[in-house]
Amino acid sequence: GAVVSQHPSWVICKSGTSVKIECRSLDFQATTMFWYRQFPKQSLMLMATSNEGSKATYEQGVEKDKFLINHASLTLSTLTVTSAHPEDSSFYICSARDLRTGSYEQYFGPGTRLTVT
Amino acid sequence: QKEVEQDPGPLSVPEGAIVSLNCTYSNSAFQYFMWYRQYSRKGPELLMYTYSSGNKEDGRFTAQVDKSSKYISLFIRDSQPSDSATYLCAMLEGAQKLVFGQGTRLTINP
Repeated sequence: GAVVSQHPSWVICKSGTSVKIECRSLDFQATTMFWYRQFPKQSLMLMATSNEGSKATYEQGVEKDKFLINHASLTLSTLTVTSAHPEDSSFYICSARDLRTGSYEQYFGPGTRLTVT
Repeated sequence: QKEVEQDPGPLSVPEGAIVSLNCTYSNSAFQYFMWYRQYSRKGPELLMYTYSSGNKEDGRFTAQVDKSSKYISLFIRDSQPSDSATYLCAMLEGAQKLVFGQGTRLTINP
């Protein structure tokens, strides 16, 4: 149980274009989803937290107009990287949690590798 | 100073060895402590989850927390080549935010 999927697993796009990444909880309802980015050989950095039906809360230094997050249902959240540039190339990972269980555990997706050329 | 410090390694040990991985932290507000394992190009998976100071054992894995020293450890006994991965410590800030260490890259040599 507690499986989180991401799509696509990898994507290459040209500078200036937008890319959408999907995060789905497959066998549970995710009241809260989190988006992280991870640079090579570095740790995961939280970008934003989203609760179903609410606006996302962004971490300091993360541009909300560049990284658009939508959490419209209890099983799906999307991250759109708008006007992507090469410095946005990174590994993006989502996680999900069901607050109603009382557990603090977050279940992570397999990640999406974004390369902007 | 980072909130969570973790030696990035790499750490290479022979099969069967006992592995010790460590993290230190500065924020006294951290209450929950986790260890995640991440294989290359994959998302992290939760290994151990502890709240209080002391030891918690799960099979070949033991998590140790010393809140007075702000120091946590993960021990792996009888290490196997399949344990080769990056190990990340993480700490819960407030009710939701996980703060991760840099991760230690571990290789177990057959």
